[in-house]
Amino acid sequence: DTGVSQNPRHKITKRGQNVTFRCDPISEHNRLYWYRQTLGQGPEFLTYFQNEAQLEKSRLLSDRFSAERPKGSFSTLEIQRTEQGDSAMYLCASSFSRTTGSAFTETQYFGPGTRLLVL
Amino acid sequence: KQEVTQIPAALSVPEGENLVLNCSFTDSAIYNLQWFRQDPGKGLTSLLLIQSSQREQTSGRLNASLDKSSGRSTLYIAASQPGDSATYLCAAYLRDDKIIFGKGTRLHILP
Repeated sequence: DTGVSQNPRHKITKRGQNVTFRCDPISEHNRLYWYRQTLGQGPEFLTYFQNEAQLEKSRLLSDRFSAERPKGSFSTLEIQRTEQGDSAMYLCASSFSRTTGSAFTETQYFGPGTRLLVL
Repeated sequence: KQEVTQIPAALSVPEGENLVLNCSFTDSAIYNLQWFRQDPGKGLTSLLLIQSSQREQTSGRLNASLDKSSGRSTLYIAASQPGDSATYLCAAYLRDDKIIFGKGTRLHILP
């Protein structure tokens, strides 16, 4: 399977616990994105990487959230001290971009998502 | 601030009908416009990507158009089938490399 994969697919945790999600992008893609989607809403941008560099973080990404892409391949998204408001679907996407400007950005391919429920 | 709006929020049509889903964006300075399909509890499947220099894209029974000057895109689905039932999302690619999504249109095709 050469698509984007995410693990785990589902996570239930208690408020205050830390959770970590993993995303494996399509192998030749140099860009990796994280989004959050709540019920009835479209996905909202959280952050993205070009290779191993984190280029932008949304204001939605509070200090409790951290994302890494250490070797420019897979990425992890960690949420510390989870709150009930963190319950959402966390989506990862990857793409190949020839430049840092989006003029040549190609289609983003999305993974199946990780559904988080904070009790 | 770029906003993406999709109308209607929900739509039910009998099988076999042709239908149009609408997407509008407030800032015409976008690069690409992409339509996705999302099944309940699942990730996003790309349907069509219209690049900035293009006005439309077609794939099978789907046709998407883009009019940047009016800030609109439409997704046309011909001869709808029950398997087309899903949420359809449009997304605008901005010049700062972000993507802004609409809230989606929930489509239900009645057998």
